[in-house]
Amino acid sequence: DTAVSQTPKYLVTQMGNDKSIKCEQNLGHDTMYWYKQDSKKFLKIMFSYNNKELIINETVPNRFSPKSPDKAHLNLHINSLELGDSAVYFCASSQDVGGFGYTFGSGTRLTVV
Amino acid sequence: AQSVTQLGSHVSVSEGALVLLRCNYSSSVPPYLFWYVQYPNQGLQLLLKYTSAATLVKGINGFEAEFKKSETSFHLTKPSAHMSDAAEYFCAVSDNWLNAGGTSYGKLTFGQGTILTVHP
Repeated sequence: DTAVSQTPKYLVTQMGNDKSIKCEQNLGHDTMYWYKQDSKKFLKIMFSYNNKELIINETVPNRFSPKSPDKAHLNLHINSLELGDSAVYFCASSQDVGGFGYTFGSGTRLTVV
Repeated sequence: AQSVTQLGSHVSVSEGALVLLRCNYSSSVPPYLFWYVQYPNQGLQLLLKYTSAATLVKGINGFEAEFKKSETSFHLTKPSAHMSDAAEYFCAVSDNWLNAGGTSYGKLTFGQGTILTVHP
């Protein structure tokens, strides 16, 4: 039973399109995150939600909009996709807001052509 | 803000040899430190974490790390490498702060990663 699941696993799309990545966790965690891993494998946080409330919003273009319908779900919507958005996006959750025990999803590889 | 630096983007060892992956941190407060492993096309898996208890931390798969405040280091070691250890390893520090209500929030800041190759 997957703890943090992301869909889709792979996403290839054209520039200018709008796409969404979904994330669900069945661990009962209150805090969820989106991280971006670029082509050089550098991981950087994008957003964090605690109990559906946005608590971290790093310097991310406003084309990226997270949505948390409930504490088990954190989706990422991206408008007007650009080539530079190509990356692997990881969802994660933690049992506490201190971030001491992350569980990561397996990632969504987004390729913008 | 906290940061971590991993020395060596690639480390190559022979099967059975000692594994040493280096991580140095920068933090203005006592840090919480982590090592994660990423196998090809997979997510990150927590190997071990230091949260101000014992300075020598044991993790999964025979890995351990020692927190050395004087050296601001948190190097990852394994006495004997196995072929299945080949992966990318990330050191991370938790950047924590308090909101107005006194709740502690955290986010992980990752190092650049070290690719471990194990030769037969």
